[in-house]
Amino acid sequence: QITLKESGPTLVKPTQTLTLTCTFSGFSLSTSGVGVGWIRQPPGKALEWLALIYWDDDKRYSPSLKSRLTITKDTSKNQVVLTMTNMDPVDTATYYCAHNSHNWFDPWGQGTLVTVSS
Amino acid sequence: QSVLTQPPSASGTPGQRVTISCSGSSSNIGSNYVYWYQQLPGTAPKLLIYRNNQRPSGVPDRFSGSKSGTSASLAISGLRSEDEADYYCAAWDDSLSGFNWVFGGGTKLTVL
Repeated sequence: QITLKESGPTLVKPTQTLTLTCTFSGFSLSTSGVGVGWIRQPPGKALEWLALIYWDDDKRYSPSLKSRLTITKDTSKNQVVLTMTNMDPVDTATYYCAHNSHNWFDPWGQGTLVTVSS
Repeated sequence: QSVLTQPPSASGTPGQRVTISCSGSSSNIGSNYVYWYQQLPGTAPKLLIYRNNQRPSGVPDRFSGSKSGTSASLAISGLRSEDEADYYCAAWDDSLSGFNWVFGGGTKLTVL
């Protein structure tokens, strides 16, 4: 059974850097074809894809946010870390990580709400 | 403004058949698979349809997906109260700006 769980701060100040960790079980990020992605959802709004890292360390980023995002993996710890710089109140959202295999996201973690406010 | 366009709302009565549309372009739906996600209130999205029309195990056959050109549709037959949720379409987009997963704006389904 594949499970993922997001962790990180619930509140960050404007201009700060956000660091989120996705801890997963039930699969290995060293297996060919496997990836982990991040998707966010502002309150009451739609889903927005942020980043995706594959088993071979190939990394993909949302073109609109690429300059602010970094995704890394620690295969030995079964973790994927997303950092987002220069946080702004519009970045307030629930951040999800999700398993990606055969090129779709399934399953997703429960999500973590991050509020950006001074 | 989402890259994929969905109606913001849809509704139906129990037992009815409803469809939700998703419109894109040649760089996303027109050349790549479409995926559908169901998000029940207060929960994370769940994969409902993959590769245009395939159902993961456990998803009832009341749910079906289709694609034609640069548009896709999700159909729900025999509507049930537990189908009340937000539905999102998604696709891989390979445009000049780079590879990019894109989502629709979501459709809120109400079971009357």
